[in-house]
Amino acid sequence: TQLLEQSPQFLSIQEGENLTVYCNSSSVFSSLQWYRQEPGEGPVLLVTVVTGGEVKKLKRLTFQFGDARKDSSLHITAAQTGDTGLYLCAGATTSGTYKYIFGTGTRLKVLA
Amino acid sequence: ETGVTQTPRHLVMGMTNKKSLKCEQHLGHNAMYWYKQSAKKPLELMFVYSLEERVENNSVPSRFSPECPNSSHLFLHLHTLQPEDSALYLCASSQDGRGGNIQYFGAGTRLSVL
Repeated sequence: TQLLEQSPQFLSIQEGENLTVYCNSSSVFSSLQWYRQEPGEGPVLLVTVVTGGEVKKLKRLTFQFGDARKDSSLHITAAQTGDTGLYLCAGATTSGTYKYIFGTGTRLKVLA
Repeated sequence: ETGVTQTPRHLVMGMTNKKSLKCEQHLGHNAMYWYKQSAKKPLELMFVYSLEERVENNSVPSRFSPECPNSSHLFLHLHTLQPEDSALYLCASSQDGRGGNIQYFGAGTRLSVL
């Protein structure tokens, strides 16, 4: 069974601090996506990483895909209250079937 | 606005009721999905439709019955549900059903089973 474990599960930080969220698996994924979900809404895609070792930046967010395509990290610099939400990683299987495996989620709260 | 609309946003039903959840996408996509999101559990993929044909059914109890009349609409028919079925039900669509395609999610239906 493919699993994606995210850590930490919960994170509460002050505005302006930096943080890193991790997404780990023993399985290889053809690509990995990061989503943010706000209360009362569905997940919204932030980024897709495809190549092992790939680094993508989205303003203050930096995403990295592990060399072996089994893990990923999301780093936020100078967090803002608007970054508050549930962060989900999702791995696409390599088998070409229709499955996305979602991580357990990291709930981030940024305090003013 | 993601282009995927779910109705109703909230639903309370008894265990003997029959209700349906609706999802509509305006993105011209060919694949649609139903997910279940429960507290403290990862998103669970329930059903996948590609070109109106069901291609994935992840051992979901028969009290959940999907229907995809065309590539823009997806329904989830509910009957004789259990309290543990209370959750946020999310619909998503993508260009096609291949892994790696970007999925666009609706806002979900918050279901409470009494």
